[in-house]
Amino acid sequence: IVMTQSPDSLAVSLGERATINCKSSQSVLSSSNNKNYLAWYQQKPGQPPKLLIYWASTRESGVPDRFSGSGSGTDFSLTIGSLQAEDVAVYYCQQYYSTPYTFGQGTKLEIK
Amino acid sequence: EVQLVESGGGLVQPGGSLRLSCAASGFTLSNYWMHWVRQAPGRGLVWVSRISSDGITAYADSVRGRFTISRDNAENTLYLQMNSLGAEDTAVYYCVRAEGGPNWFDPWGQGTLVTVSS
Repeated sequence: IVMTQSPDSLAVSLGERATINCKSSQSVLSSSNNKNYLAWYQQKPGQPPKLLIYWASTRESGVPDRFSGSGSGTDFSLTIGSLQAEDVAVYYCQQYYSTPYTFGQGTKLEIK
Repeated sequence: EVQLVESGGGLVQPGGSLRLSCAASGFTLSNYWMHWVRQAPGRGLVWVSRISSDGITAYADSVRGRFTISRDNAENTLYLQMNSLGAEDTAVYYCVRAEGGPNWFDPWGQGTLVTVSS
């Protein structure tokens, strides 16, 4: 499954909304449990990735509620409701529906 | 506290071998699906290999036949044996736990850098 993110980079003003899109080459929605096998990660320079969202829309414990995930099947989005300076990072989507567990190419989020 | 600490990275010549280790603490490694993910300098994340809780392994096409994932339950440690290394294997290698089976990756170790160069 090929994961394609858009855009590759994004510059948003502090306090504004940022949206990153992720498209999978085939559906990652399981018919057995009606769950989308899609996660979002945040990676800051020099650090390992950090889980933000799983099952496409479930926020990991401790993740600020300005982060939200949506979508189903093949089209997904990560939205940061009000951009903070500490949100500058590269964001990756990932499907864990089947091996190989593929990631999107990453979206670099910067402050405008 | 759940923690993953990788070690074993370093500089190796093309064609050489290296074994990475990932020491787990705060949980029993054999109860979880465990993965290796790598990231070449300035590039994105690439899944490398997985071992399930019942010991079934899987590999990316790019490493199958060269890399072997394993674990030592007594030591609570995950391994990645890497053979026939090439420049394309240069990357930071992360050890990652998958929550509850074939699921999302969390937490991630800090990573260990493997550099393949003459």
